[in-house]
Amino acid sequence: AQSVTQLGSHVSVSEGALVLLRCNYSSSVPPYLFWYVQYPNQGLQLLLKYTSAATLVKGINGFEAEFKKSETSFHLTKPSAHMSDAAEYFCAVSEAGGSYIPTFGRGTSLIVHP
Amino acid sequence: EAQVTQNPRYLITVTGKKLTVTCSQNMNHEYMSWYRQDPGLGLRQIYYSMNVEVTDKGDVPEGYKVSRKEKRNFPLILESPSPNQTSLYFCASTTLGGGGNQPQHFGDGTRLSIL
Repeated sequence: AQSVTQLGSHVSVSEGALVLLRCNYSSSVPPYLFWYVQYPNQGLQLLLKYTSAATLVKGINGFEAEFKKSETSFHLTKPSAHMSDAAEYFCAVSEAGGSYIPTFGRGTSLIVHP
Repeated sequence: EAQVTQNPRYLITVTGKKLTVTCSQNMNHEYMSWYRQDPGLGLRQIYYSMNVEVTDKGDVPEGYKVSRKEKRNFPLILESPSPNQTSLYFCASTTLGGGGNQPQHFGDGTRLSIL
Protein backbone atom coordinates (compact mmCIF):
# COMPACT_ATOMS: atom_id res chain seq x y z
CA ALA A 1 0.00 0.00 0.00
CA GLN A 2 1.15 3.52 -0.72
CA SER A 3 0.81 6.64 1.37
CA VAL A 4 2.05 10.22 1.43
CA THR A 5 2.77 12.52 4.35
CA GLN A 6 3.29 16.22 3.90
CA LEU A 7 4.78 17.77 7.01
CA GLY A 8 3.23 21.11 7.84
CA SER A 9 -0.15 22.19 6.61
CA HIS A 10 1.18 25.75 6.34
CA VAL A 11 4.67 27.03 5.57
CA SER A 12 5.46 30.72 5.81
CA VAL A 13 8.53 32.33 4.20
CA SER A 14 9.71 35.80 3.34
CA GLU A 15 10.07 36.87 -0.26
CA GLY A 16 13.56 35.90 -1.42
CA ALA A 17 13.96 33.14 1.18
CA LEU A 18 14.43 29.44 0.55
CA VAL A 19 11.28 27.40 0.09
CA LEU A 20 11.26 23.85 1.48
CA LEU A 21 8.11 21.75 1.39
CA ARG A 22 8.42 18.26 2.82
CA CYS A 23 6.98 15.05 1.42
CA ASN A 24 7.58 11.53 2.69
CA TYR A 25 6.06 8.49 1.07
CA SER A 26 5.67 4.80 1.64
CA SER A 27 5.44 2.32 -1.17
CA SER A 28 5.99 -1.40 -1.45
CA VAL A 29 7.36 -1.04 -4.97
CA PRO A 30 9.36 1.68 -6.77
CA PRO A 31 7.24 4.78 -6.77
CA TYR A 32 6.37 7.48 -9.20
CA LEU A 33 6.26 10.82 -7.39
CA PHE A 34 4.62 14.08 -8.33
CA TRP A 35 4.31 17.61 -7.03
CA TYR A 36 1.29 19.66 -8.04
CA VAL A 37 0.49 23.31 -7.38
CA GLN A 38 -2.97 24.79 -6.91
CA TYR A 39 -3.38 28.54 -7.26
CA PRO A 40 -6.51 30.17 -5.81
CA ASN A 41 -9.69 29.28 -7.69
CA GLN A 42 -7.86 26.93 -10.03
CA GLY A 43 -7.32 23.22 -10.44
CA LEU A 44 -4.08 21.41 -9.75
CA GLN A 45 -1.27 21.63 -12.26
CA LEU A 46 1.90 19.59 -12.47
CA LEU A 47 5.08 21.16 -11.08
CA LEU A 48 7.39 18.20 -11.59
CA LYS A 49 7.57 14.42 -11.47
CA TYR A 50 10.01 11.65 -10.65
CA THR A 51 9.75 8.48 -12.73
CA SER A 52 13.00 6.61 -11.92
CA ALA A 53 15.37 8.59 -14.10
CA ALA A 54 17.45 11.38 -12.50
CA THR A 55 16.93 11.69 -8.74
CA LEU A 56 17.08 15.49 -8.90
CA VAL A 57 14.10 16.70 -10.85
CA LYS A 58 13.64 20.22 -12.12
CA GLY A 59 10.19 21.63 -12.65
CA ILE A 60 8.48 24.80 -13.68
CA ASN A 61 8.86 28.19 -11.99
CA GLY A 62 12.30 27.37 -10.55
CA PHE A 63 11.17 24.50 -8.34
CA GLU A 64 13.07 21.27 -7.97
CA ALA A 65 12.78 18.10 -5.89
CA GLU A 66 15.18 15.34 -4.96
CA PHE A 67 14.19 11.70 -4.67
CA LYS A 68 15.96 10.10 -1.70
CA LYS A 69 15.17 6.41 -1.50
CA SER A 70 16.96 5.87 1.81
CA GLU A 71 14.85 8.59 3.43
CA THR A 72 11.67 7.83 1.43
CA SER A 73 11.45 11.54 0.74
CA PHE A 74 10.71 13.82 -2.17
CA HIS A 75 11.02 17.33 -0.76
CA LEU A 76 10.26 20.35 -2.94
CA THR A 77 12.61 23.34 -2.92
CA LYS A 78 13.07 26.72 -4.52
CA PRO A 79 16.08 28.93 -3.75
CA SER A 80 14.22 32.23 -3.66
CA ALA A 81 10.50 32.64 -3.02
CA HIS A 82 8.37 35.04 -5.02
CA MET A 83 5.04 36.44 -3.99
CA SER A 84 3.50 34.59 -6.94
CA ASP A 85 4.54 31.24 -5.37
CA ALA A 86 1.83 31.57 -2.73
CA ALA A 87 -0.41 28.56 -3.36
CA GLU A 88 -1.35 25.09 -2.15
CA TYR A 89 1.14 22.34 -2.96
CA PHE A 90 0.32 18.64 -3.15
CA CYS A 91 2.66 15.67 -3.23
CA ALA A 92 1.36 12.47 -4.83
CA VAL A 93 2.63 8.90 -5.27
CA SER A 94 1.66 6.04 -7.52
CA GLU A 95 3.24 2.63 -7.68
CA ALA A 96 5.14 1.48 -10.76
CA GLY A 97 3.29 -1.43 -12.31
CA GLY A 98 0.54 -1.13 -9.74
CA SER A 99 -3.12 -0.28 -10.04
CA TYR A 100 -2.18 3.23 -11.09
CA ILE A 101 -4.47 4.92 -8.60
CA PRO A 102 -2.43 7.78 -7.13
CA THR A 103 -2.45 8.81 -3.48
CA PHE A 104 -2.29 12.51 -2.60
CA GLY A 105 -0.92 14.15 0.50
CA ARG A 106 -3.11 16.57 2.43
CA GLY A 107 -1.40 19.59 0.94
CA THR A 108 0.81 22.40 2.22
CA SER A 109 -0.22 26.01 1.94
CA LEU A 110 2.77 28.23 1.12
CA ILE A 111 2.49 31.78 2.43
CA VAL A 112 4.98 34.34 1.14
CA HIS A 113 5.50 37.56 3.10
CA PRO A 114 6.82 40.74 1.46
CA GLU B 1 -5.85 23.11 -26.28
CA ALA B 2 -5.69 20.01 -24.08
CA GLN B 3 -8.07 20.45 -21.21
CA VAL B 4 -10.50 19.00 -18.71
CA THR B 5 -13.73 20.97 -18.57
CA GLN B 6 -16.12 20.89 -15.63
CA ASN B 7 -19.53 22.47 -15.39
CA PRO B 8 -20.88 24.25 -13.52
CA ARG B 9 -18.07 26.08 -11.75
CA TYR B 10 -20.34 27.13 -8.90
CA LEU B 11 -23.68 25.76 -7.73
CA ILE B 12 -25.86 26.49 -4.73
CA THR B 13 -28.75 24.09 -4.30
CA VAL B 14 -30.96 22.53 -1.65
CA THR B 15 -31.00 19.19 0.09
CA GLY B 16 -32.51 16.38 -1.94
CA LYS B 17 -32.52 18.06 -5.34
CA LYS B 18 -30.69 15.83 -7.80
CA LEU B 19 -27.75 17.40 -9.57
CA THR B 20 -25.11 16.43 -12.10
CA VAL B 21 -21.65 17.87 -12.51
CA THR B 22 -20.30 17.27 -15.97
CA CYS B 23 -16.68 16.53 -16.87
CA SER B 24 -15.23 16.28 -20.33
CA GLN B 25 -11.67 15.81 -21.59
CA ASN B 26 -10.29 16.19 -25.10
CA MET B 27 -7.06 14.20 -24.72
CA ASN B 28 -8.42 10.70 -25.39
CA HIS B 29 -7.44 9.66 -21.86
CA GLU B 30 -8.50 6.26 -20.59
CA TYR B 31 -8.43 7.16 -16.90
CA MET B 32 -10.78 9.68 -15.33
CA SER B 33 -11.44 10.43 -11.70
CA TRP B 34 -13.45 12.59 -9.32
CA TYR B 35 -12.07 14.12 -6.13
CA ARG B 36 -13.45 16.29 -3.41
CA GLN B 37 -11.27 18.79 -1.60
CA ASP B 38 -12.06 19.84 1.95
CA PRO B 39 -9.99 22.02 4.29
CA GLY B 40 -7.45 19.97 6.21
CA LEU B 41 -8.34 16.76 4.39
CA GLY B 42 -6.64 17.35 1.04
CA LEU B 43 -7.94 15.51 -2.01
CA ARG B 44 -10.08 12.45 -1.52
CA GLN B 45 -11.02 10.26 -4.43
CA ILE B 46 -14.73 9.62 -4.96
CA TYR B 47 -14.86 7.41 -8.05
CA TYR B 48 -12.57 6.57 -10.91
CA SER B 49 -12.81 4.93 -14.32
CA MET B 50 -10.17 3.01 -16.22
CA ASN B 51 -12.11 3.02 -19.48
CA VAL B 52 -15.57 3.17 -21.01
CA GLU B 53 -18.15 1.27 -18.94
CA VAL B 54 -15.54 0.55 -16.23
CA THR B 55 -15.96 2.46 -12.97
CA ASP B 56 -14.90 1.79 -9.40
CA LYS B 57 -15.23 3.30 -5.96
CA GLY B 58 -12.59 5.51 -4.47
CA ASP B 59 -12.18 6.40 -0.82
CA VAL B 60 -15.43 8.34 -0.31
CA PRO B 61 -18.08 7.06 -2.76
CA GLU B 62 -21.15 7.22 -0.49
CA GLY B 63 -23.87 9.48 -1.88
CA TYR B 64 -22.36 9.72 -5.35
CA LYS B 65 -22.83 7.98 -8.68
CA VAL B 66 -20.87 8.13 -11.91
CA SER B 67 -21.13 6.78 -15.42
CA ARG B 68 -18.69 6.39 -18.29
CA LYS B 69 -20.68 5.84 -21.47
CA GLU B 70 -18.20 7.70 -23.64
CA LYS B 71 -14.46 7.98 -23.30
CA ARG B 72 -14.44 11.76 -23.07
CA ASN B 73 -17.21 12.23 -20.47
CA PHE B 74 -17.41 11.28 -16.80
CA PRO B 75 -20.35 12.95 -15.04
CA LEU B 76 -20.72 12.99 -11.26
CA ILE B 77 -24.28 12.54 -10.02
CA LEU B 78 -25.65 13.44 -6.60
CA GLU B 79 -29.10 11.89 -6.53
CA SER B 80 -30.10 13.25 -3.13
CA PRO B 81 -27.54 15.85 -2.07
CA SER B 82 -26.99 16.56 1.61
CA PRO B 83 -25.16 19.42 3.35
CA ASN B 84 -22.12 17.21 4.10
CA GLN B 85 -21.51 17.08 0.36
CA THR B 86 -20.78 20.79 0.29
CA SER B 87 -17.26 20.84 -1.07
CA LEU B 88 -14.92 21.70 -3.93
CA TYR B 89 -14.94 19.00 -6.58
CA PHE B 90 -12.30 18.22 -9.18
CA CYS B 91 -12.35 16.00 -12.21
CA ALA B 92 -9.04 14.67 -13.51
CA SER B 93 -7.84 12.51 -16.37
CA THR B 94 -4.69 10.84 -17.61
CA THR B 95 -3.42 8.21 -19.97
CA LEU B 96 -2.68 4.73 -18.66
CA GLY B 97 0.28 4.36 -21.01
CA GLY B 98 3.41 4.39 -18.88
CA GLY B 99 1.90 2.37 -16.05
CA GLY B 100 1.24 5.26 -13.71
CA ASN B 101 4.10 7.58 -14.57
CA GLN B 102 1.91 10.15 -16.29
CA PRO B 103 0.51 13.10 -14.34
CA GLN B 104 -3.16 13.84 -14.05
CA HIS B 105 -4.79 16.79 -15.78
CA PHE B 106 -7.30 18.59 -13.59
CA GLY B 107 -10.34 20.68 -14.31
CA ASP B 108 -10.78 24.08 -12.67
CA GLY B 109 -13.12 22.73 -10.04
CA THR B 110 -16.80 22.94 -9.11
CA ARG B 111 -17.76 24.56 -5.83
CA LEU B 112 -20.97 23.00 -4.54
CA SER B 113 -22.98 24.41 -1.67
CA ILE B 114 -25.90 22.31 -0.44
CA LEU B 115 -28.27 24.10 1.90
